[in-house]
Amino acid sequence: QVQLVQSGAEVQKPGASVKVSCKASGYTFTGSFLHWIRQAPGQGLEWMAYIDPNSGGTGYAQKFQGRVTLTRDTSISTAYMELSRLTSDDTAVYYCTREECTPRCSKNFGNWGQGTLLTVSS
Amino acid sequence: QSALTQPPSASGSPGQSVTISCTGTSSDVGGYNYVSWYQQRPGKAPKLMIYDVTKRPSGVPDRFSGSKSGNTASLTVSGLQADDEADYYCSSYAGSNTHYVFGTGTKVTVL
Repeated sequence: QVQLVQSGAEVQKPGASVKVSCKASGYTFTGSFLHWIRQAPGQGLEWMAYIDPNSGGTGYAQKFQGRVTLTRDTSISTAYMELSRLTSDDTAVYYCTREECTPRCSKNFGNWGQGTLLTVSS
Repeated sequence: QSALTQPPSASGSPGQSVTISCTGTSSDVGGYNYVSWYQQRPGKAPKLMIYDVTKRPSGVPDRFSGSKSGNTASLTVSGLQADDEADYYCSSYAGSNTHYVFGTGTKVTVL
C-alpha cells in the first residue's frame, strides 16, 4: 500500500531553516507528484509547493517563492522540503501528499503523510 | 490567491443530510472540473472524499456526493452518521501559476 512517512517534529528559532523529509513507498516514486501542504494551529490547509520527482521540476505558491526549496533523492524515494527565514507564523503541521500522475496527473491529493509539526520559537 | 469560501459550520441530526458550499472564482472552481473534498478528523491527516467534482475514491461511502454550479461547488453528506463529524475542506486546481487553493474549512457536527 502507498505510504508517505515524514520526519519527526522540529523546534527551530526565528531566522533559522528547517528541512523536512517524506519517504515514499508502495508505488513508483517517479510516477507521482509530491506536494507540500501546511496547517497552522486551529487553521485551514494551505498549499505550498510541489515537485515532480521524475524531472525535479517544481512549482511554488507565490507566498513561498524564494523561501521554500523542494528536492528529491530518487535512489531512496524521498522528497525534501526546506523552509528558510523562519518566523513564528511558520509554526504549523507540514504534510507531504501524493498526486498520482499515471496516466495523467489527477489534480487531487490521494495519499498523505502523517504530518510534521514545526514549532518556531525563540 | 484567496482561499475558497466555506461556511464555518454545518450540522444535522443522524440520518439527515448536510450540504457544504465552496465558493471560488472563474479562475479556480469555475474554470476547472478539478474540485476535491477532504475530511479531517482531529489530530489526523486529511482524507480524500471526492475528486473531479463528483467522483468518489474506492472505499468512500456513496452517502458522500459532490456537485458544482458556476463558481460554487458543494459536498452533500446524506444519512449523517456520528462518524461523519469532522472538518471538511474543498480544494480546486487554479491553473499553472497559482496551482491549488483550499477552502476555509467547515466543521460538521452531528447533533
